[in-house]
Amino acid sequence: SQTIHQWPATLVQPVGSPLSLECTVEGTSNPNLYWYRQAAGRGLQLLFYSVGIGQISSEVPQNLSASRPQDRQFILSSKKLLLSDSGFYLCAWSTPGQGFYGYTFGSGTRLTVV
Amino acid sequence: AQSVTQPDIHITVSEGASLELRCNYSYGATPYLFWYVQSPGQGLQLLLKYFSGDTLVQGIKGFEAEFKRSQSSFNLRKPSVHWSDAAEYFCALNNAGNMLTFGGGTRLMVKP
Repeated sequence: SQTIHQWPATLVQPVGSPLSLECTVEGTSNPNLYWYRQAAGRGLQLLFYSVGIGQISSEVPQNLSASRPQDRQFILSSKKLLLSDSGFYLCAWSTPGQGFYGYTFGSGTRLTVV
Repeated sequence: AQSVTQPDIHITVSEGASLELRCNYSYGATPYLFWYVQSPGQGLQLLLKYFSGDTLVQGIKGFEAEFKRSQSSFNLRKPSVHWSDAAEYFCALNNAGNMLTFGGGTRLMVKP
């Protein structure tokens, strides 16, 4: 069966420090991968998605970047965190061309920038 | 362009009462529709989905939803709410491509 892992679960980082959040999927090949953010009291904001290794699409300009170094690995990074980067970050995957299955989400990372 | 609207940001119901969460969508063809639930500090879990056939779909945890094309709606229902149902609920639409469009979410609170 397919599983998705996100880590760490919680993170407290000072302003200006770097960030690296990792997401891996098991049990499937060539998944579409997504990074979402939820700011406090707000809905889901799509940050990045990827349809293959090295292929990243950015939905909003921001202080963050994403990379996909391996087929089932998706990394969210920042060189210098801002206070506004605080939030709940969710990774998700889907099967290409099979939209009726929806997305499967990881358990999320709570990031607090202090 | 496709869009999903959840008109109610917050809803409070008493335990044991019935529940209906509203979802309206805008899309030119028959969409794939989903309801997800998010417990505090957790990821999103799929409750149910619709993509064809019977317009009343059953999901996990006793939830159901009805697709009404004439009203562009996909409302989520539960006949008797339990305290453990307190969570945030998201409606989403997929146009058979790679992207889900989410509504803004409805936060459900359950009174004892």
